[in-house]
Amino acid sequence: GAGVSQTPSNKVTEKGKYVELRCDPISGHTALYWYRQSLGQGPEFLIYFQGTGAADDSGLPNDRFFAVRPEGSVSTLKIQRTERGDSAVYLCASSPLAGVSYNEQFFGPGTRLTVL
Amino acid sequence: SQKIEQNSEALNIQEGKTATLTCNYTNYSPAYLQWYRQDPGRGPVFLLLIRENEKEKRKERLKVTFDTTLKQSLFHITASQPADSATYLCALDSRSNAGGTSYGKLTFGQGTILTVHP
Repeated sequence: GAGVSQTPSNKVTEKGKYVELRCDPISGHTALYWYRQSLGQGPEFLIYFQGTGAADDSGLPNDRFFAVRPEGSVSTLKIQRTERGDSAVYLCASSPLAGVSYNEQFFGPGTRLTVL
Repeated sequence: SQKIEQNSEALNIQEGKTATLTCNYTNYSPAYLQWYRQDPGRGPVFLLLIRENEKEKRKERLKVTFDTTLKQSLFHITASQPADSATYLCALDSRSNAGGTSYGKLTFGQGTILTVHP
């Protein structure tokens, strides 16, 4: 079946603009995660959704970042007033069921965001 | 403060040899440790998971060890092949609770770039 998909694959924007990044998780996966990966670093946790609710948003760097998952499937990460430091690859991952003893996470290909 | 280190940024080995990658951590009490592979331009792909009460786990040519006393995991690829060339990430899974449900909050190391030469 289809894996996690993310759109767009690349996004170039100007400083101060607003961007939306979309994630389509694997069908039926209730857990959804957003990560940010800078060059030469591992992914850094941003936010976790269990169903429709953001159960843990402790990794969001500031209030310019916001994410939604209104129907418990597709999620959108929104960044307001973008800054050059926001440039990174934004990864989405989903997992079949929250609450199991462990969770293998299935990652999408990421959206490369460049803020000029 | 909490810290995860993968000891080598880059590792170069000859085809057929065993690659050994190291992941060390401090100030964590992970329930699980996971290893992922990441190819350029792609998201990480899950390889193996080991629980805190397990010493060793194997899958085909892959082997992971987990020493919670040393706070270290070793990841081995035996009979390495050029197709094994990629970045390998270790991730600590510290069980968290939210909304009444346990979930895995992954904290990744910076990765080790493995190159297997023919």
